[in-house]
Amino acid sequence: DTGVSQDPRHKITKRGQNVTFRCDPISEHNRLYWYRQTLGQGPEFLTYFQNEAQLEKSRLLSDRFSAERPKGSFSTLEIQRTEQGDSAMYLCASSTIGDSPLHFGNGTRLTVT
Amino acid sequence: GNSVTQMEGPVTLSEEAFLTINCTYTATGYPSLFWYVQYPGEGLQLLLKATKADDKGSNKGFEATYRKETTSFHLEKGSVQVSDSAVYFCALTAMNTGFQKLVFGTGTRLLVSP
Repeated sequence: DTGVSQDPRHKITKRGQNVTFRCDPISEHNRLYWYRQTLGQGPEFLTYFQNEAQLEKSRLLSDRFSAERPKGSFSTLEIQRTEQGDSAMYLCASSTIGDSPLHFGNGTRLTVT
Repeated sequence: GNSVTQMEGPVTLSEEAFLTINCTYTATGYPSLFWYVQYPGEGLQLLLKATKADDKGSNKGFEATYRKETTSFHLEKGSVQVSDSAVYFCALTAMNTGFQKLVFGTGTRLLVSP
């Protein structure tokens, strides 16, 4: 169990640029989640995959955000035309089915200047 | 909708002091309740959970009891250590969504001094 891996750890970008983050879940986990955490707040749910199917998206996930999990393994989260309000920690988590606990990665911290 | 309210921090204690971090929730149905901990520089880790009323979750000396009548899930530890310094998040999930869609509180920072 190597844990959930996220890349990069930090990303600084200029407003209007596109960014993409990657998440590698624990290998036998078929569920994958993205959360966003802004300073002083708890994480907020963004989206959920079971295998390669994206089964739920939060209203927080505007049209500029897209997430994929093409082969049911790693996932990418892309933000197009970044805005300063997108600055946050983006967290990925994975789990097996049922009520098994979520395992979180260390997150990708995005700063939009 | 579902929500979680935690006491604001930071909570500053001396080593071996008693800890309580308050958490109350609003939810439809019967949510599962969790405490997650985030140590400096690390990802969120599940500390303990309870899935039904009157259940007590416990781990590493921490305990929390699911109180349906008061809609609370307060975290307690009898004797804190410096190594317990971290941010603690209370969370819930309504399993009728079919997956763990966690709703978190804002977190409470705990600082323990020697």
